[in-house]
Amino acid sequence: AQKITQTQPGMFVQEKEAVTLDCTYDTSDPSYGLFWYKQPSSGEMIFLIYQGSYDQQNATEGRYSLNFQKARKSANLVISASQLGDSAMYFCAMREGPGGNKLVFGAGTILRVKS
Amino acid sequence: SAVISQKPSRDICQRGTSLTIQCQVDSQVTMMFWYRQQPGQSLTLIATANQGSEATYESGFVIDKFPISRPNLTFSTLTVSNMSPEDSSIYLCSVLGAPGWAGETQYFGPGTRLLVL
Repeated sequence: AQKITQTQPGMFVQEKEAVTLDCTYDTSDPSYGLFWYKQPSSGEMIFLIYQGSYDQQNATEGRYSLNFQKARKSANLVISASQLGDSAMYFCAMREGPGGNKLVFGAGTILRVKS
Repeated sequence: SAVISQKPSRDICQRGTSLTIQCQVDSQVTMMFWYRQQPGQSLTLIATANQGSEATYESGFVIDKFPISRPNLTFSTLTVSNMSPEDSSIYLCSVLGAPGWAGETQYFGPGTRLLVL
């Protein structure tokens, strides 16, 4: 069964506008962590933001915020004020269990920022 | 924060040969992992590199094909053995538990792009 689902293969956004990348997850473990990574064409994986299952508030890191809706099992990434350099592949990932370290990744969403 | 490097950054290899990829961290880390990203695909965990003992492999990956070493807390190698074109991928190492880093987050090296002809 698919643990992490990213339903948007590709997204376009106008420069300076906000964009939301969707991520839903499936787990029966009450303790888990959710991550977003950015992969530019160079291939490196850049960590963006983390949300723990017990965190009371939505995570924010600069222009990145995570819209965490636990009951819906969704963890959407919001990028505000998009920049041309935001064009990349974005992956949602999940870690399960208090001692779990394995990351399971979604299929990814390609984001293109238009000038 | 720690710096993660991988060598080589890219390589083109002939089928039937083997390639060893190195992952070096400039500070001690608790855990190291190896992932594979096939063309146009997401990342899949190959194995957890255990310091001083055999790696823990995920389903579908075996030690004979992907031998892994981790002699200390800052270094690991992944060998892709008896390569075929299907092994053409980006191979990434990641680390967890470096001093000063958020404990939950895995950080990735720059990756090794492998093309097998």
